[in-house]
Amino acid sequence: GDSVTQMEGPVTLSEEAFLTINCTYTATGYPSLFWYVQYPGEGLQLLLKATKADDKGSNKGFEATYRKETTSFHLEKGSVQVSDSAVYFCALISGGSYIPTFGRGTSLIVHP
Amino acid sequence: KAGVTQTPRYLIKTRGQQVTLSCSPISGHRSVSWYQQTPGQGLQFLFEYFSETQRNKGNFPGRFSGRQFSNSRSEMNVSTLELGDSALYLCASSPGQGAGKSSYEQYFGPGTRLTVT
Repeated sequence: GDSVTQMEGPVTLSEEAFLTINCTYTATGYPSLFWYVQYPGEGLQLLLKATKADDKGSNKGFEATYRKETTSFHLEKGSVQVSDSAVYFCALISGGSYIPTFGRGTSLIVHP
Repeated sequence: KAGVTQTPRYLIKTRGQQVTLSCSPISGHRSVSWYQQTPGQGLQFLFEYFSETQRNKGNFPGRFSGRQFSNSRSEMNVSTLELGDSALYLCASSPGQGAGKSSYEQYFGPGTRLTVT
C-alpha cells in the first residue's frame, strides 16, 4: 500500500536558518503530493502541493519539488521565522481510494 | 468561503459514556473525512462520507461510527468511551468527486479535543 516517511523530529533551528524536512513516499501510479502545517491548537492547513513529476509547489517562502526518480518531496525554506514553529505533515493522494496517506509529522521549533 | 467548522472544540467525558462530534464542511464540498490524532499514533483515518454514504473506512472498532446528512454536515459518534479515545478529532472536507486528484484535496477544521477521564 501507499506510505509516506518523514524525518523524525523535532527539528530545532535558529531564526533565519535554512530548513529542510525530508519526505519520501511509496505509491502506485502517479500520486499528488502535499505538505500540510499544523500550528499549536489548530487543525491542518494545506501549505503547498505538486501534482506531477518535476512540479514545484510553493507558498509563504516554502518550496518542495516532486522528484519521481527519488520518490521524494522535501520541504525547504531559505530563512525560517519563529512563527514557522509548527508540525509539518507530508501526504499523498494516489488513484485508489483518494483518501490521503499522511506521514507521522515533523515538529519544527525555531528559536529567536 | 467559510472554512470547515467543528463543534464543540473541547469536550471532557467519563469512561463508558458516549459522545457525538459535529462537522460542517466547506460549502459545496460533499466529502467529509474524520481522523483521530494522538501523540503516539499520529494521524489515523477513521472514515469518509460522500453523499450520505460511507465510502471509505479505516481500521477502528465499531464503537466509532458516523453519518452524513443531506446538507453534507457530518457527525461522528463514539460509544462506550475508553481512556485511549482521548485525542484530537479532526474533520476534513473536499469536493470528493471529479477527474483530477485535486478534487480530493482535503481542508481541515480546527478539531475537537476529547478528554476521557
